[in-house]
Amino acid sequence: EAGVAQSPRYKIIEKRQSVAFWCNPISGHATLYWYQQILGQGPKLLIQFQNNGVVDDSQLPKDRFSAERLKGVDSTLKIQPAKLEDSAVYLCASRGTGGTYEQYFGPGTRLTVT
Amino acid sequence: QKEVEQDPGPLSVPEGAIVSLNCTYSNSAFQYFMWYRQYSRKGPELLMYTYSSGNKEDGRFTAQVDKSSKYISLFIRDSQPSDSATYLCAMSYNQAGTALIFGKGTTLSVSS
Repeated sequence: EAGVAQSPRYKIIEKRQSVAFWCNPISGHATLYWYQQILGQGPKLLIQFQNNGVVDDSQLPKDRFSAERLKGVDSTLKIQPAKLEDSAVYLCASRGTGGTYEQYFGPGTRLTVT
Repeated sequence: QKEVEQDPGPLSVPEGAIVSLNCTYSNSAFQYFMWYRQYSRKGPELLMYTYSSGNKEDGRFTAQVDKSSKYISLFIRDSQPSDSATYLCAMSYNQAGTALIFGKGTTLSVSS
């Protein structure tokens, strides 16, 4: 079974520029999460989708971050404009349906804002 | 006070040692407790999953949950250099797919 795919793996941008990250979850997984992991910290949820609907975006800085999951499969996370404090690894995770509890994480996109 | 506290280490041990990793939490509503392992430049992968209080063993790994003390532990027996990674505790309120609340992670180095 293929894992969660993310691209790009690395991105360097200047502050005030925009950037977009892409995630392809495991096939058939209805729930998709975006987490932000700042260096030395644990992952923190940004947004959770169930199919193509938003379940929880309470910690998403909506003035600069946006996310969508068209057709309930792939998802895109965008930052516009970026700030220095957005430098982090952005992790995508997916979870299957039914009684399964495990979230499967992708390798992440490492963003550096200069 | 953060919801989940975890000593970031680093923790260095010789091969074969028993390793103890711990987290404390403040919210008694947490019901599901997990340990994830994260290698450098990789995403976290699930190691152990425990519901409520008690022990769970899987090979060289044992997870313990003490809800009365709001304290969870992961023990690694006969540690190997391949165990060198960051270990993240994570918790959730229910099994219904809600997001995980993570600790900061403890960086472990096992030397041969």
